[in-house]
Amino acid sequence: AQTVTQSQPEMSVQEAETVTLSCTYDTSESDYYLFWYKQPPSRQMILVIRQEAYKQQNATENRFSVNFQKAAKSFSLKISDSQLGDAAMYFCALSPSNTGNQFYFGTGTSLTVIP
Amino acid sequence: DVKVTQSSRYLVKRTGEKVFLECVQDMDHENMFWYRQDPGLGLRLIYFSYDVKMKEKGDIPEGYSVSREKKERFSLILESASTNQTSMYLCASSLVTGSGNTIYFGEGSWLTVV
Repeated sequence: AQTVTQSQPEMSVQEAETVTLSCTYDTSESDYYLFWYKQPPSRQMILVIRQEAYKQQNATENRFSVNFQKAAKSFSLKISDSQLGDAAMYFCALSPSNTGNQFYFGTGTSLTVIP
Repeated sequence: DVKVTQSSRYLVKRTGEKVFLECVQDMDHENMFWYRQDPGLGLRLIYFSYDVKMKEKGDIPEGYSVSREKKERFSLILESASTNQTSMYLCASSLVTGSGNTIYFGEGSWLTVV
């Protein structure tokens, strides 16, 4: 069974500061992918960042980076220089390679950015 | 850019009505999904389809059915809507070839059953 856990239902960050969102997962598969998705209020869910499990190097996308700890099954998202537009619900997702591209999502973390 | 279009953004239906939620994707993706999103519960998979006329139950299929007559279109059907089906419904699509492919979402359909 695959599970994804986001233990922080809500987080807040001051504008221009850095915030880290936590995600842990469980899978028996050795080959999988991890994702962070962003869902702004009343808007479409979009991909933020993607990590291949076989890669040791942490993925980065501009102000977004991950801390991938494979042994600990941890996949946290760091947002640097937070902006008002970063306010959204963030979902962590797991996709094992042998499941025909199925996705397993966490319960989400609602991020508030304080001006 | 991939586009996943859900035909209805906001619907209000009466208990017992039959409800159709339509979804179309324009990128020739094999996989299509219907999720339900509720606060504190995240995204829960209702059904997915990996090919035309093929479907698989997800985690919460009870009270729902799906139809995929064409590759680009995936419909979610509530045969007899109930108030506990009030929720946001998200359609998504992805490639099935290879692995680690991104899943693309529609804007969501807010359904209220009264």
